[in-house]
Amino acid sequence: DAGVTQSPTHLIKTRGQQVTLRCSPKSGHDTVSWYQQALGQGPQFIFQYYEEEERQRGNFPDRFSGHQFPNYSSELNVNALLLGDSALYLCASSLAGFTDTQYFGPGTRLTVL
Amino acid sequence: QKEVEQNSGPLSVPEGAIASLNCTYSDRGSQSFFWYRQYSGKSPELIMFIYSNGDKEDGRFTAQLNKASQYVSLLIRDSQPSDSATYLCAVKRGIQGAQKLVFGQGTRLTINP
Repeated sequence: DAGVTQSPTHLIKTRGQQVTLRCSPKSGHDTVSWYQQALGQGPQFIFQYYEEEERQRGNFPDRFSGHQFPNYSSELNVNALLLGDSALYLCASSLAGFTDTQYFGPGTRLTVL
Repeated sequence: QKEVEQNSGPLSVPEGAIASLNCTYSDRGSQSFFWYRQYSGKSPELIMFIYSNGDKEDGRFTAQLNKASQYVSLLIRDSQPSDSATYLCAVKRGIQGAQKLVFGQGTRLTINP
């Protein structure tokens, strides 16, 4: 049973650049949520995708955008990177109607220099 | 006031003892509560969730919920060095079909052999 996968594992960018992170949900799951986890903090909700639509969004600027594909995989895009965007980006998948059970992927560590 | 608050620790417990982790939440309407474990450099993994007042047991873990006091706790019996990790408390927010998890900052637990 394939779990949640994310790519890349690590990424280094410079301020002002753009980045795309990718996530494939656990087999059978159709809902993807993205979280940002700064060092020493708990994960913060960015947004959630279901049926290729963003259905809820956290308190993040429009520089953060996403997409979900027909196969339920998802991308997180961040434009005009700031130093403060350096964090672990986590993707969590779940099954619609059972969003209580969210399974996290290994995360992508983004460093902005 | 933060939505979900945890003592960041570190909490140090001798091997074999009971570790007690605490969490408070601000939204009295919250319905579902979760405990995740996160090893250093890894992603969170779900330990258990609880909906109803009282205790819920799963192996060495017991979650306790007191909605009147807006308090959730996690007890780990017979603590093992492998239990050393950061424990994240989370609360589900939102309406059916558009829900997110709101996390506390986590409590770092160290089990001393």
